Amino acid sequence: RKEVEQDPGPFNVPEGATVAFNCTYSNSASQSFFWYRQDCRKEPKLLMSVYSSGNEDGRFTAQLNRASQYISLLIRDSKLSDSATYLCVVMGFANAGGTSYGKLTFGQGTILTVHP
Amino acid sequence: DAGVTQSPTHLIKTRGQQVTLRCSPISGHKSVSWYQQVLGQGPQFIFQYYEKEERGRGNFPDRFSARQFPNYSSELNVNALLLGDSALYLCASSSGRLMNTEAFFGQGTRLTVV
Repeated sequence: RKEVEQDPGPFNVPEGATVAFNCTYSNSASQSFFWYRQDCRKEPKLLMSVYSSGNEDGRFTAQLNRASQYISLLIRDSKLSDSATYLCVVMGFANAGGTSYGKLTFGQGTILTVHP
Repeated sequence: DAGVTQSPTHLIKTRGQQVTLRCSPISGHKSVSWYQQVLGQGPQFIFQYYEKEERGRGNFPDRFSARQFPNYSSELNVNALLLGDSALYLCASSSGRLMNTEAFFGQGTRLTVV
């Protein structure tokens, strides 16, 4: 089982639609959770962190369910500029040589295309 | 203020050759991580360096090595290149080794092995 799993899509939606992405993770000890956005042939950029209480940033809402090990991202009123790959990212602590370090584990990404 | 910079941006190498990729983190950031992103997949963790020491290593062969310099810049070396090493190599900069704050990525080096 992959550490972080996402539905790869692709999702093709019209402008103005609401679209939801889901993600599950396998390590119950995971510490922090993020959604990153990656445009074609560009680097990933942080979209938002995800908290158990849920958080909202404009048209974007992220939710975390630690009991189910499930993360979601909801995009309302989709814009053409939302077309990108959305990466679910989980941070967990790993140990090497007695020192802890944070390690980001990425899902494979969900491709979103918003069309006119 | 400069973000994370990587060089070169593109590179074509032949199987069996060696390659060195470079990364300069954001000023003040002491943690540099390297990731490999194969087309259609999410980035895979290769290394983390913090305060010039290797803190973590992903599931990559010994052909992959890295180091961090006193100014916190970093190099990733790959020896005996294989076709499967063709990928986008991303460098991420963070202020701490625990990565619980935002990681900033460079634009990546696109390596093609022929």
